[in-house]
Parts: sequence; structure tokens; C-alpha cells
Amino acid sequence: EDKVVQSPLSLVVHEGDTVTLNCSYEVTNFRSLLWYKQEKKAPTFLFMLTSSGIEKKSGRLSSILDKKELFSILNITATQTGDSAIYLCAVGDYNQGGKLIFGQGTELSVKP
Amino acid sequence: NAGVTQTPKFRILKIGQSMTLQCAQDMNHNYMYWYRQDPGMGLKLIYYSVGAGITDKGEVPNGYNVSRSTTEDFPLRLELAAPSQTSVYFCASSSFSTVLTDTQYFGPGTRLTVL
Repeated sequence: EDKVVQSPLSLVVHEGDTVTLNCSYEVTNFRSLLWYKQEKKAPTFLFMLTSSGIEKKSGRLSSILDKKELFSILNITATQTGDSAIYLCAVGDYNQGGKLIFGQGTELSVKP
Repeated sequence: NAGVTQTPKFRILKIGQSMTLQCAQDMNHNYMYWYRQDPGMGLKLIYYSVGAGITDKGEVPNGYNVSRSTTEDFPLRLELAAPSQTSVYFCASSSFSTVLTDTQYFGPGTRLTVL
């Protein structure tokens, strides 16, 4: 059965800290891995990583994909209170058509 | 573009009542999805559709029904509401069939409480 597991489930840091969120997966025929940010409303898209794009960066956020070890990390440097959110990892599988398998999410709280 | 819209934003139902959650998108996406999100559980797929007239079950379809008569609209019907259906419901859409991208775009959600 396809599975996506995120860790930690929750994290509390102070402004300025660097955080690393983890996502490991077991899927039959990997196609892509996506990161979303959810701030008490709809998830918003951050990155998509595929075999042809295993590193992405946008400002203070960056992500890498390790297809051999079947995991991804999302790094946030110099955290701000506005980074407080649930971060969701999702994986696309060629055997699942256009469906995504979501992890449980990591709830990040950044204190001033 | 409004993107993905959902109505209502909030609803309280009594056990046994029925209701329809509305979802519409204006991005001409063929793929549409309904998820529910319970605390600490991520997103669970209820139903999805790959185009008008075509729907299929996701991971947790029991107690729900869907229809897709147009590309734009994908309503979710709850029959005989139960407390276990208390959750936040998200609709999403993607252009997977045309550009093979997995990126899904989400609506603002409907918070449903069944008492």
C-alpha cells in the first residue's frame, strides 16, 4: 500500500532558527513529490520535485528529493512568525493516475 | 480568475440530515477532487473526477456521493449525516490530463459539524 510519512508531527522554534521537515514515502511507481503550506485555510503549493528536478529553492525555503532513499526534506532558514503553518507532503504515483497520496502534515509554530 | 470556490464556508447539521457541498473551478481543469481533513490526519481523498460524467471513489467514499455534469462543477452530497463526518472538506482541481502536472489547486474549504 502506498504510504507517505512526515516527521516530526509538530515543531516549535523561535524566530531566526532553521528548521528541517522530513517526508518519506513508499509508492509503487514514483512520479513526483509536492510540498504544500497550509495556514488555517486551503493548502497552497510550494514545490514539486521530480526525477528531472530534485532540488528547488524559493527565498528562504528549499527542498531536495532523494529518490534512492525515498525521502524529501523541506528546509526553512531564518524562520519568521509568518512561517507558522502545517506543511503537507504529497506523492504522485504513475499507477494512481492524477491522484496524490498525502502525509499527515508537520505543524510548525514559530515563536517571536 | 476566481480559481476554486466552495460554498458554504461553515455548516452545522443534525444527525440524519443531508446536504450538498458546492465546488466550482474556472481554470478549465479536467481533474477535480474532494478531500476531508481531520486534525493530525492530513488529507484523505473521498472522490475524484477525471472529466465531466466520470467519477471514481477515493480512499474514504462511504457516506458520500458526487456527480460531475460540467467541467466546472463538482458537488459533494452527504446523505444521512453522521458525527464521523464532522471535518473540514476541501475541493481541488488540476490540469493533470493535459500537461501531466501533479499540482492541485485547493478551494478555501467547508467546515462541517454534525451534532
